[in-house]
Amino acid sequence: GAGVSQSPSNKVTEKGKDVELRCDPISGHTALYWYRQSLGQGLEFLIYFQGNSAPDKSGLPSDRFSAERTGGSVSTLTIQRTQQEDSAVYLCASSLRRTDANYGYTFGSGTRLTVV
Amino acid sequence: AQSVTQPDIHITVSEGASLELRCNYSYGATPYLFWYVQSPGQGLQLLLKYFSGDTLVQGIKGFEAEFKRSQSSFNLRKPSVHWSDAAEYFCAVGATAIQGAQKLVFGQGTRLTINP
Repeated sequence: GAGVSQSPSNKVTEKGKDVELRCDPISGHTALYWYRQSLGQGLEFLIYFQGNSAPDKSGLPSDRFSAERTGGSVSTLTIQRTQQEDSAVYLCASSLRRTDANYGYTFGSGTRLTVV
Repeated sequence: AQSVTQPDIHITVSEGASLELRCNYSYGATPYLFWYVQSPGQGLQLLLKYFSGDTLVQGIKGFEAEFKRSQSSFNLRKPSVHWSDAAEYFCAVGATAIQGAQKLVFGQGTRLTINP
């Protein structure tokens, strides 16, 4: 696609439920990143994919968070047993190659998650 | 560890006035530095980047930034702001992730308000 697409744009869920957030990167982009933007914490790195593998998961805040990428394209971020502190905007970004990230990558518009 | 400080949480300027947004970073090696802008409900858009060469870099929308190694700063400037510049601005430093990609460490952001 022309840009990085994220869905849903907004998600309200009840505490304790599982949610899946989807990221569709720019076609052909091999590097994919997830970030979280929350009040009081700013923007935090969560996980990086190169192709289908995730060499850097250092930012995932707990084992309730997981992500996968299939076919070197779409990625899904899953949050299990959601808590109120998970409320945030989840942003996805991609770049053509991992080294292109040095030049700044393209962000999607994000998914706003609200846990009630 | 890498870190970025944006000392000003909120700045208000009049339309047509000049603007300077401050950014200080902490990074052991030569940094990759970025400024992103985020309009309400939107993702992050890259304004400009620095990774080597001329310390004064030009970006989109009439913005520029100057890298000062001695001060560990990368301040963003614009000679005359427009009402459409009202947004949140983020400074970021690129930190090498596993397998050489760049993950970004962001400052807390500066919210810019423009008075007519």
